[in-house]
Amino acid sequence: EVVMTQSPATLSVSPGERATLSCRASQSVSSNLAWYQQKPGQAPRLLIYGASIRATGIPARFSGSGSGTEFTLTISSLQSEDFAVYYCQQYNDWPPYTFGQGTKLEIK
Amino acid sequence: EVQLVESGGSLIQPGGSLRLSCAASGFTFSSYWMHWVRQAPGKGLLWVSRVNTDGRSTSYADSVKGRFTISRDNAKNTLYLQMNSLSVEDTAVYYCATMTIRPARAFDIWGQGTVVTVSS
Repeated sequence: EVVMTQSPATLSVSPGERATLSCRASQSVSSNLAWYQQKPGQAPRLLIYGASIRATGIPARFSGSGSGTEFTLTISSLQSEDFAVYYCQQYNDWPPYTFGQGTKLEIK
Repeated sequence: EVQLVESGGSLIQPGGSLRLSCAASGFTFSSYWMHWVRQAPGKGLLWVSRVNTDGRSTSYADSVKGRFTISRDNAKNTLYLQMNSLSVEDTAVYYCATMTIRPARAFDIWGQGTVVTVSS
């Protein structure tokens, strides 16, 4: 099973600043990685797939990068609606499809 | 509008059984694999199970293998999860989800979730 590890667990950033979230895979997942955003009481929402491709309707301030075992989600200028929990997920080696434990992005 | 709507969640005693349903609309249900993903209170996301388009191929997480059964009825555009021998560790919000972006296998459509609470 591919283990996904996200860091940090909690990230405190001020609105308007840049946020950088990391995700590491226990073995190469190529570019078969997705990022999701989840707000309290809501289902996750797909942000990025293929490590760097924005899903439909996702603002350009969200960008993904990386391949192999190291990945990054960057939010270039944080808006109030961006404060949420973010998960990475690999779909290279399944089953199971595995998620990271999440990074909580909070207002500083 | 593309939509997945789960139902069937409830409070159930340990050892009991429950069947969840997920009604799909707004897309060609029979063309896509379907999945269940769960989230325990205050925890992260855990993939539970998947079924292929005709229902003949399934996969399960180790934690539910032998206890849960996924199935689908393409005529009714509905996905199911039969859960047996439930334990307190199965307490979670259960989401149905699918992957319509090919060839990527990212979950782009999610339901709103149904709550399963296993407690005596």
